[in-house]
Amino acid sequence: GDSVTQMEGPVTLSEEAFLTINCTYTATGYPSLFWYVQYPGEGLQLLLKATKADDKGSNKGFEATYRKETTSFHLEKGSVQVSDSAVYFCALSGRRDAGKSTFGDGTTLTVKP
Amino acid sequence: DTAVSQTPKYLVTQMGNDKSIKCEQNLGHDTMYWYKQDSKKFLKIMFSYNNKELIINETVPNRFSPKSPDKAHLNLHINSLELGDSAVYFCASSQDREKLFFGSGTQLSVL
Repeated sequence: GDSVTQMEGPVTLSEEAFLTINCTYTATGYPSLFWYVQYPGEGLQLLLKATKADDKGSNKGFEATYRKETTSFHLEKGSVQVSDSAVYFCALSGRRDAGKSTFGDGTTLTVKP
Repeated sequence: DTAVSQTPKYLVTQMGNDKSIKCEQNLGHDTMYWYKQDSKKFLKIMFSYNNKELIINETVPNRFSPKSPDKAHLNLHINSLELGDSAVYFCASSQDREKLFFGSGTQLSVL
């Protein structure tokens, strides 16, 4: 079945540091790929997505590129802020139903001033 | 207006009690879901409804029963609560069967 493996946390960075959170997947067909972010005490919200190979999703300074050859969708940001502290989830969705989205285990990011 | 709203936000109860969590979405989406997030933040789907019809029912104890009176509402009723049911429960909805919109969660604590 489908699976998502993302970098274990927690990750602690200083403000303005470069962020990479690795995500690799296994899936049949051509899934859509997502990064969701969960701020403390809140639900998950979509951060960015990519629906086909070589697509780059971007939002709020975060980027991720759908790499079919390496089955990866790594999340990057050039300069993190304290307000980026949250839990980040990589996810994939088959074409048929988003409810069967497969989520990674989440990576907790803490950014210190 | 909140897109996906669920109530209550916190629920503290004794073992053996029955409780319900309500969810409503005002996005006009056809599909709604319940997810469970444990203390390690692992997220697991429980149920999915499309236009009031159950389409996903993962391996969940029979004590959990979803009910969808209309496509904008999906409630979760839990009978005979157990300690292991303590978690955060998230309602979500989707329309394009790709991205999910989540509610802010219900933190259930069973004592």
